Amino acid sequence: RKEVEQDPGPFNVPEGATVAFNCTYSNSASQSFFWYRQDCRKEPKLLMSVYSSGNEDGRFTAQLNRASQYISLLIRDSKLSDSATYLCVVIKAAGNKLTFGGGTRVLVKP
Amino acid sequence: NAGVTQTPKFRILKIGQSMTLQCAQDMNHNYMYWYRQDPGMGLKLIYYSVGAGITDKGEVPNGYNVSRSTTEDFPLRLELAAPSQTSVYFCASGRNKETQYFGPGTRLLVL
Repeated sequence: RKEVEQDPGPFNVPEGATVAFNCTYSNSASQSFFWYRQDCRKEPKLLMSVYSSGNEDGRFTAQLNRASQYISLLIRDSKLSDSATYLCVVIKAAGNKLTFGGGTRVLVKP
Repeated sequence: NAGVTQTPKFRILKIGQSMTLQCAQDMNHNYMYWYRQDPGMGLKLIYYSVGAGITDKGEVPNGYNVSRSTTEDFPLRLELAAPSQTSVYFCASGRNKETQYFGPGTRLLVL
């Protein structure tokens, strides 16, 4: 089983709709969680951190479920510019390495 | 600040050739990382460094070498290029392991 798994998609989303997707992780010692966004042929950029209490940044909401070992990202009122690949990142408590999921591709269409 | 810069942007190598991918950051970050990303896949860690003079292997270090003689620079060396090393290479830096800033990437094709 991969350490961090994501549904590759694509999730085809009508403009203005809500989309949500998950990322599962296998190591219960994982401590920190993040969502990165990657546009086509560009570098990844940090979108948001994922806290135990969940967090919201504008139209984006991230949540963590430690019991079931997954994190989620919800995008409300989708914009065309939200089309991208969303990468889940997990960091263990010990060590200095980040583990990336394979990414979930989101396509927002008019 | 230029952030994280990578050179070259694109390179074609023949099998067996060597090259160095350059990475530099001007944010005084201690942590620096090299990743590769194959088409449609996530990023895999090749090597990382937590400070000048300190390097460590990641998930896929075979066929690569790194050095970190200064805080700013973290070059990645390919000694004997193989077709399996065709990929996009990203360098990243951060003040800590949690937040990383990525360079624009180097696209490498080995034929």
